[in-house]
Amino acid sequence: AQTVTQSQPEMSVQEAETVTLSCTYDTSESDYYLFWYKQPPSRQMILVIRQEAYKQQNATENRFSVNFQKAAKSFSLKISDSQLGDAAMYFCAYRSASSGGSNYKLTFGKGTLLTVNP
Amino acid sequence: DTEVTQTPKHLVMGMTNKKSLKCEQHMGHRAMYWYKQKAKKPPELMFVYSYEKLSINESVPSRFSPECPNSSLLNLHLHALQPEDSALYLCASSQQRGFNQPQHFGDGTRLSIL
Repeated sequence: AQTVTQSQPEMSVQEAETVTLSCTYDTSESDYYLFWYKQPPSRQMILVIRQEAYKQQNATENRFSVNFQKAAKSFSLKISDSQLGDAAMYFCAYRSASSGGSNYKLTFGKGTLLTVNP
Repeated sequence: DTEVTQTPKHLVMGMTNKKSLKCEQHMGHRAMYWYKQKAKKPPELMFVYSYEKLSINESVPSRFSPECPNSSLLNLHLHALQPEDSALYLCASSQQRGFNQPQHFGDGTRLSIL
């Protein structure tokens, strides 16, 4: 079974600075997808960024980028120019790309609570 | 604005009540999901519907009964719940299960069992 580990329960960053959230995962599969979701106090889970394991290029979405190290099974999220609205719980998630039944399921890490200080 | 709409946003019910949670999406997605989320924890998958058919039940107690009347709607019927069922219930949808498409989540229903 796959596992996702977020080793930082809480992080804080000053507004306009950069912060990196870590995520590692364990899998025996070679093809899969990785996601970062953000959940602010408003409760909605919002997709921040996604990465296909077969792509070597790191995904970027505006101020958000990932450092995907497939051999190390690491998938960290970098937030540049942090804004007050970035404050939220961030979940890293894994999804299998196999043709079997497990490809429906998102395996989440325990989350990292990010605080942005003005 | 969320593209997945859940109602009600808050629900308080007694252990003997029957209530339903509703979820609606108009993105043409054919996979829909129910999750349960406790405070400060990640969401836990409960059910998956694919093309309006229940394809996954993650060993959820029978006091939770899902229903998918059509491709846009997903209900969760609640009966004889326990206090430990108090949680945030999230609905999600995706273009099709098993593909690279991400799941889009609603705002959730905060459920409190008295």
